[in-house]
This record gives sequence, structure tokens and C-alpha cells, in this order.
Amino acid sequence: AQSVSQHNHHVILSEAASLELGCNYSYGGTVNLFWYVQYPGQHLQLLLKYFSGDPLVKGIKGFEAEFIKSKFSFNLRKPSVQWSDTAEYFCAVIPSGGYQKVTFGTGTKLQVIP
Amino acid sequence: DAGVTQSPTHLIKTRGQQVTLRCSPKSGHDTVSWYQQALGQGPQFIFQYYEEEERQRGNFPDRFSGHQFPNYSSELNVNALLLGDSALYLCASSLYRGGYEQYFGPGTRLTVT
Repeated sequence: AQSVSQHNHHVILSEAASLELGCNYSYGGTVNLFWYVQYPGQHLQLLLKYFSGDPLVKGIKGFEAEFIKSKFSFNLRKPSVQWSDTAEYFCAVIPSGGYQKVTFGTGTKLQVIP
Repeated sequence: DAGVTQSPTHLIKTRGQQVTLRCSPKSGHDTVSWYQQALGQGPQFIFQYYEEEERQRGNFPDRFSGHQFPNYSSELNVNALLLGDSALYLCASSLYRGGYEQYFGPGTRLTVT
């Protein structure tokens, strides 16, 4: 069975600071990877996804993530955060090759201070 | 284009009771997945329905059951409620052959007292 680890539970940054949120997964085969975001009072939204090809994927609102297969990692990055990026971020994985259950990490709460 | 809708928004039940939660998928979607999100945790996969059948199931007891209707909407039923069942229940819809991307509803907050 697959598992997902998000090492940072709560991150506090000042506006314009750079962001990197860690995500590591455990699974023996090929996976598809996602980052979801949950803004305060809103439902989960897809931020970006990786299926195959270029390991550097770009999502909405200036976010990007890099898939490093050898490290089983899919870290989320943003060069300069804004106050509106305050939210909870979830990494998720689903095995490729069949429609199977999505496994989420425990989430990272990001607080951006103006 | 309506997104995923869930009802009710909030629910308070007593231990031992039964509850039914409802979900309408995004227009055009045929697959519904249910998740339980406890406070401070990520969503935990409960099960997934496609073509009115349960296709995948997570590590949840048989007290958790579901149903999908011909119009693709779905219900989640929980019997013999425990205090530990208090959580946000999320519904997500997708296309079974559409590449795994799921769209989430706002959730139903269940409190068991």
C-alpha cells in the first residue's frame, strides 16, 4: 500500500518569501502525484498534477512542483508567496495503471504574514 | 456548470445512530469517491463508486456503506455511529477513464455526541 509524508505541518512565512513544502511517498510502482490546496472556508482544489513527462510541473497561481523519482519526492515550490496563499496544502498519490484509491498526506498549513 | 454538491452541510448525531450523507457529482462525471477528514488530518479514502458498484475500498469497517444511483449521485451511510466518526466527509467526483483528477465538494461536517 502506498503512503505519503508531509514533513512540515505548519509553516509561517512573510510575504515575498520563497516557499518549498516537502512531500515524500512510498510505493513500489509508478505513481501519479498531486498537490491540492484548501483555502480557509473553501473546498479542496487541485493545484497541480504530475502524470508523466517533464518532472517539473507548473500549476495555478505561480506554484510548481518537481518530481524526483530517485528520492520519491514531489516538493511544492513558489518563488514569492502572497498573503492570499495562506491555506492548507495536501500532497496526494495514486498508483498508475488502474483507477485506485488516492492517498493523501496529513497536510501543511501555510500562514503568510503581510 | 454546477460543481460537486453535498448535503447536509452539518449534522449532529448521537452515538449508535445511523446517518446518510448525499453527494451530486460535477456535471459530466461518472465516478464518486468518499473521504473522511478528521481534524488535523488529510482526507482518508473510504470507497469509490462507478457504474453503481463499489470499485475500491479503503480501510474502513462495514459500518460504512454506500450507493450510487443511475444519475451518478451517491450516498454514504454510516451505521452504529461512534464518537470517532466525527469528521468532515468529503465527496469527490471524476471521470473513470479521465485521468484521475478529482473535484471535491465542500463536505459534510458530522458531529457524533
